[in-house]
Amino acid sequence: EPEVTQTPSHQVTQMGQEVILRCVPISNHLYFYWYRQILGQKVEFLVSFYNNEISEKSEIFDDQFSVERPDGSNFTLKIRSTKLEDSAMYFCASSLPLGTDNEKLFFGSGTQLSVL
Amino acid sequence: AQKITQTQPGMFVQEKEAVTLDCTYDTSDPSYGLFWYKQPSSGEMIFLIYQGSYDQQNATEGRYSLNFQKARKSANLVISASQLGDSAMYFCAMRRSSASKIIFGSGTRLSIRP
Repeated sequence: EPEVTQTPSHQVTQMGQEVILRCVPISNHLYFYWYRQILGQKVEFLVSFYNNEISEKSEIFDDQFSVERPDGSNFTLKIRSTKLEDSAMYFCASSLPLGTDNEKLFFGSGTQLSVL
Repeated sequence: AQKITQTQPGMFVQEKEAVTLDCTYDTSDPSYGLFWYKQPSSGEMIFLIYQGSYDQQNATEGRYSLNFQKARKSANLVISASQLGDSAMYFCAMRRSSASKIIFGSGTRLSIRP
């Protein structure tokens, strides 16, 4: 079965540094997402991306965050000037167009970000 | 606004018993989809089952079924004949058809006793 791949699986960074989390969504999917999960807590929506622009974003997704689809396969999340509270598991996901019979999200295995 | 509520933070069930995980939702959209995901200790998010708001029948996928009660706005997950491998965190989620995002409930940690 096709899968969403994320790299790296773990990222350690110093507070104030910039990080880029990378994702390769499933090739025929059109919607792309970033979610985060602080240890033991709920899965929080950050942003959705469609047709090369942000479709929706949450209050968490402030100016510190940005997303990009630099080529036909990669989808990245950039966090500028990381803070301690950005430490979390970051999940990338993708889906087929809304309204199809199979609009579930396919998740990657996540990137565990630790900000020291 | 939309909201997903899972009121059971944790549950313990004996192996081979059936278990029901509760989920209620709130949305004013007439069209929406409901999902359940499983997250084992390894951390990945595994899709289990989907129910569309206009589906006439409750969704089933193997040992998983979704008890969809539209008037009550509930979408409980039923796992029949539970197995040790069912021990995990379970998240209920919803997507309005007018939106792209899926929002998740706070989850229920299910532990299966041998």
